Amino acid sequence: SQQGEEDPQALSIQEGENATMNCSYKTSINNLQWYRQNSGRGLVHLILIRSNEREKHSGRLRVTLDTSKKSSSLLITASRAADTASYFCATVPPTGGGNKLTFGTGTQLKVEL
Amino acid sequence: SAVISQKPSRDICQRGTSLTIQCQVDSQVTMMFWYRQQPGQSLTLIATANQGSEATYESGFVIDKFPISRPNLTFSTLTVSNMSPEDSSIYLCSATSGTRDQYFGPGTRLLVL
Repeated sequence: SQQGEEDPQALSIQEGENATMNCSYKTSINNLQWYRQNSGRGLVHLILIRSNEREKHSGRLRVTLDTSKKSSSLLITASRAADTASYFCATVPPTGGGNKLTFGTGTQLKVEL
Repeated sequence: SAVISQKPSRDICQRGTSLTIQCQVDSQVTMMFWYRQQPGQSLTLIATANQGSEATYESGFVIDKFPISRPNLTFSTLTVSNMSPEDSSIYLCSATSGTRDQYFGPGTRLLVL
């Protein structure tokens, strides 16, 4: 399986704290994407980072990518109760491999008041 | 961005029957995909729905079990055939238009008794 690993599997924090999730993958990529899923519903696209990028920001989100270690991290700053969800990383193969996404195992984040 | 709808949103089916799930995109897209998310698990790609030709299936998935149609650039169907309880999952379609951002439908929650 090409599926990546995410850790931790579950994370519980207090509102206002930062949450960091890590993703490791196995093969070369064109880009890596992070998604959020609330309670087994549809996925929401959060951010995309290309293989030649090392860091990207979007609002309270910060994503890093280390292609030498085949790993990425998602940082959510100043977390809110509404951030409670499952977070998945997904990789896209290099050009010619199509836009097929290979998902990681996911991190369940719980933000408590 | 693309807005994707799926029908039905959920269903309870008897084993041995078949269910067809519809996916509608509000704009023309290049690629459409079907994913399965088994309870408590991550997403696994079933197949790429090709417009006007047979779908491309991933390892472990076959056309007889998961026939797919894509008659135009905005619509696709996935049929889950001869269902068993092991087919109980959330089925999600997604679409992309070459920008690499992939958008997901809300999912169809299927329970097979």
